[in-house]
Amino acid sequence: EMQLVESGGGLVQPGRSLRLSCTASGFTFGDYALSWVRQAPGRGLEWVSFVRNKAYGGTTEYAASVTGRFTISRDDSKGIAYLQMNSLETEDTAVYYCIRGGASGRYYMDVWGKGTTVTVSS
Amino acid sequence: QSALTQPPSASGSPGQSVTISCTGTSSDVGDYNYVSWYQQHPGKAPKLIIYEVNKRPPGVPDRFSGSKSGNTASLTVSGLQAEDEADYHCGSYSHSNHYVFGTGTKVTVL
Repeated sequence: EMQLVESGGGLVQPGRSLRLSCTASGFTFGDYALSWVRQAPGRGLEWVSFVRNKAYGGTTEYAASVTGRFTISRDDSKGIAYLQMNSLETEDTAVYYCIRGGASGRYYMDVWGKGTTVTVSS
Repeated sequence: QSALTQPPSASGSPGQSVTISCTGTSSDVGDYNYVSWYQQHPGKAPKLIIYEVNKRPPGVPDRFSGSKSGNTASLTVSGLQAEDEADYHCGSYSHSNHYVFGTGTKVTVL
């Protein structure tokens, strides 16, 4: 069974940092792009970032709202993707989903994790 | 980052059809056949139900269908069932913003 499991969420003060992890199983991790999408309470989905797979250069892209503060990375040998979130703001409060796809020729998101909750509050 | 525009709500009785629109621009929906649709039940992660405008992943009932005309994509749910009550989100590749989602539509089965 293809699966993505997020971890690392929690309560953090504004201005602090947090690192989310996404562990994959059931598919060849290195063959796919990985995306992060977030959903603030009561709101719609917001694309945050993706990292392409090596065949597409392994490059990264970010939403304007997180550029310069968030960094996405991947470790294909471990089947794990990361989202390093710095200078967190209250507006970053959301459920963060790790997803397979969104780039590298597959512009849709077909495997979703259950999400991890990030709350930014003093 | 501008979201694609969806109606906030839609409804229908069991057995009826409901159609949800998703309006973008020539930089996203209008220029690429990379529109997808996601179903989300309360407290759950979204689930892909349509990709590349009108393709269904394995296991998704053929009651769900997608189409596109110009800058507007549409999702039609035919033969509404109680379990179709959920939030529906469209998404599209975007030349300027890489990926963009719709504002979301809550579908109610009356």
